[in-house]
Amino acid sequence: EIVMTQSPATLSVSPGERATLSCRASQGLSSNLAWYQQKPGQAPRLLISGASTRATGIPARFSGSGSWTEFTLTISSLQSEDFAVYYCQQYNNWPLTFGGGTKVEIK
Amino acid sequence: EVQLVQSGAEVKKPGESLKISCKGSGYSFTSYWIGWVRQMPGKGLEWMGIIYPGDSNTRYSPSFQGQVTISVDKSISTAYLQWSSLKASDAAIYYCATRYCSSTNCYAFENWGQGTLVTVSS
Repeated sequence: EIVMTQSPATLSVSPGERATLSCRASQGLSSNLAWYQQKPGQAPRLLISGASTRATGIPARFSGSGSWTEFTLTISSLQSEDFAVYYCQQYNNWPLTFGGGTKVEIK
Repeated sequence: EVQLVQSGAEVKKPGESLKISCKGSGYSFTSYWIGWVRQMPGKGLEWMGIIYPGDSNTRYSPSFQGQVTISVDKSISTAYLQWSSLKASDAAIYYCATRYCSSTNCYAFENWGQGTLVTVSS
């Protein structure tokens, strides 16, 4: 099973600042990595797939990068609606696995 | 518009059986995998398993193999997640989500249901 490790667990950021979230895989994934956003009381929402391709309707301030075992989600200028929990997920191998999440909170 | 509509919240006792559902609409139901994801209270996301409605091909996470059963009724565009004997530790929100696979690649979970809250308490 591929273990996905996200860091940091919590990120405190001021509105308008940049946020950088990391995700590390225990084995190589090629680019089969997704990022999801989850707000309290809501279902997760796909942000990024293929490590760097924004899903439909996702603002350009969200960007994904990386390959193989090291991946990054960057939010260029945090808006109030971006404070949420973010999960990475690998879909390269069975079983599919999620990271533990990074909570982005208001500083 | 793609929609996944899940069945409502359930309150059950330990040892009881349960079957929750996820109805798809707005897309070719038999052409997309449907996965199930657990979220225990205050915790992260866990992938449980996935089914392809076209042929009922099913894969389970080792953590959930033998603990739950995933099935589908393509005549009514509905996938199911069921337990034969619930435990208190099964209390969680359960989400369904679609995943597309082409002949050469598979992709992320693009569309999600609203979640079903399962409460298990004596």
